[in-house]
Amino acid sequence: GAGVSQSPSNKVTEKGKDVELRCDPISGHTALYWYRQRLGQGLEFLIYFQGNSAPDKSGLPSDRFSAERTGESVSTLTIQRTQQEDSAVYLCASSSRSGQKQFFGPGTRLTVL
Amino acid sequence: GDSVTQMEGPVTLSEEAFLTINCTYTATGYPSLFWYVQYPGEGLQLLLKATKADDKGSNKGFEATYRKETTSFHLEKGSVQVSDSAVYFCALSAQGGSEKLVFGKGTKLTVNP
Repeated sequence: GAGVSQSPSNKVTEKGKDVELRCDPISGHTALYWYRQRLGQGLEFLIYFQGNSAPDKSGLPSDRFSAERTGESVSTLTIQRTQQEDSAVYLCASSSRSGQKQFFGPGTRLTVL
Repeated sequence: GDSVTQMEGPVTLSEEAFLTINCTYTATGYPSLFWYVQYPGEGLQLLLKATKADDKGSNKGFEATYRKETTSFHLEKGSVQVSDSAVYFCALSAQGGSEKLVFGKGTKLTVNP
């Protein structure tokens, strides 16, 4: 596609449920990033994938958060046993390689009731 | 750890006014510095960047100069337009590593006709 796409655009879930968020990067982009934007806050880095290298998971806030990426394509961010503080906009970005301009998707707005 | 501090908003200006949004950073080494913009209803997009000290990034009439001595990267525009109304984020990417972005909290700008 022309840009980074994310699905769903909105997700409302109940506390304790698991959710999966999807990111489709720009074709050919080897680097993929997940960020979180809570209300009134800046974006927080969560996780980074670069090719077949081990991902940088240093930003994941707890072991309830995990992410996978198959090759250089789709990535899914999974949040288990969601909590109200997980409510945020989750943004995905991709770049042609590490250090290059990051292109952001429209985000998934997650609301945990 | 690395961090970015930008002036709190919201900022409200009249059309053709001068804009400054302050941004300072804390980082080891020589990070790359960025301004991202999020227009209403749109995704985050790169506005300008600078990768080394004294570099000036510019785009769409906006400018920012990388000042190593004051660890700053203030955003300026000489004459704002209504269409500049958006949220502006200052960010850095640390030298080496995963090139993840560290963001400030964002500054909401509203320009009135």
